[in-house]
Amino acid sequence: DADVTQTPRNRITKTGKRIMLECSQTKGHDRMYWYRQDPGLGLRLIYYSFDVKDINKGEISDGYSVSRQAQAKFSLSLESAIPNQTALYFCATSDATGAYGYTFGSGTRLTVV
Amino acid sequence: GEDVEQSLFLSVREGDSSVINCTYTDSSSTYLYWYKQEPGAGLQLLTYIFSNMDMKQDQRLTVLLNKKDKHLSLRIADTQTGDSAIYFCAESMNAGNMLTFGGGTRLMVKP
Repeated sequence: DADVTQTPRNRITKTGKRIMLECSQTKGHDRMYWYRQDPGLGLRLIYYSFDVKDINKGEISDGYSVSRQAQAKFSLSLESAIPNQTALYFCATSDATGAYGYTFGSGTRLTVV
Repeated sequence: GEDVEQSLFLSVREGDSSVINCTYTDSSSTYLYWYKQEPGAGLQLLTYIFSNMDMKQDQRLTVLLNKKDKHLSLRIADTQTGDSAIYFCAESMNAGNMLTFGGGTRLMVKP
């Protein structure tokens, strides 16, 4: 099994719909992150969580919300999807030091039509 | 603010060396990373370097860090078609800080 699992892998949804992207990790790490990837823009941080009771906004949190259901689970929601949220979404996890980089999931490709 | 920049594209022939460059603006950067993203996959950590080092070698990979110029490079020796991917550099100010990523460099390796 993968260290970080994201579901679904692909999703097409309509404008205005609510959608949830799920992430689970088996690394036993406290820290989890949600990133968005757009061509040429690299990865931009949406939200991050340093433990179950800690949730923080990243640089592009508008239009998104998150829930940290357990140490291993961190979900991202789009309350009312819009076309410019079409992107590749990645979940990642790291240990408390963060010094040795992140472990990423395989990504969710979301298309909003 | 933090800013990490990379060129968008690099094309090399199989067997040649590839050099992917990255510049960053934050002089406080302590940890610098290279990630590889293959098609349809997430980012995979290739290597990292601490700011008190100026070079790190790991098999075919050589990382060079010029702190004065805030320049990081990744050299891949004997580039193979399987090296075709997007390469991201990333930096963080210290352990526990979030990573800031560059826009990624797409490496194409021609047979």
